[in-house]
Amino acid sequence: EIVLTQSPATLSVSPGERATLSCRASRSVNNNYFAWYQQKPGQAPRLLIYGVFNRATGIPARFSGSGSGTEFTLTISSLQSEDFAVYYCQQYDNWPITFGQGTRLEIK
Amino acid sequence: QLQLVESGGGVVQPGRSLRLSCAASGFTLSNNGMHWARQAPGKGLEWVAMIAHDGNSKYYGDSVKGRFTISRDISQNTLYLQMNSLSSEDTAVYYCAKDYGSNGWYNHFDPWGQGTQVTVSS
Repeated sequence: EIVLTQSPATLSVSPGERATLSCRASRSVNNNYFAWYQQKPGQAPRLLIYGVFNRATGIPARFSGSGSGTEFTLTISSLQSEDFAVYYCQQYDNWPITFGQGTRLEIK
Repeated sequence: QLQLVESGGGVVQPGRSLRLSCAASGFTLSNNGMHWARQAPGKGLEWVAMIAHDGNSKYYGDSVKGRFTISRDISQNTLYLQMNSLSSEDTAVYYCAKDYGSNGWYNHFDPWGQGTQVTVSS
């Protein structure tokens, strides 16, 4: 299976600043089959990005995805209060579908 | 409005079985791939199972293969997860989720249900 490793485990950023979250795959993820999710406490996850860089419906433009092969990045350009949450990466190129362990984005 | 509502969770003894349900509204299961995922207490997300949009293909995570079965009832527009031989490692919140697109293979999920808690304990 493809193992996804997210870094850092916790990221402390001030509102209004940029946040960069990383996800590394144990082997290449092809076909751009890569996604990011946001999860707030007590809530279900929400799809943010799919196909590496496509924003899901209703997702603000401050969220952007990039990368290829084994290295992927989620960037939040100007953090809003509602963005502080846990973020998960996901690959769907190979079975089984796998998630990273998550990055907690907290207020600095 | 797309909505998913899970039910059927609870406390169950090790070795026993449980069936989860996921009632869908706002869309039909007959042309949408569906998934189950879970989240153990304080842990990350784990994908569990998938049924394709045509109902003919099913896939499972390694940790549940041979014990869990995903199915659907089109007439009830409801997704199921039959869980057998449960162990403490299966304790988690179980979510159902819809493929982001229709009539194809997408394997990224939105929306998700609110989840149902399964606790395996003697």
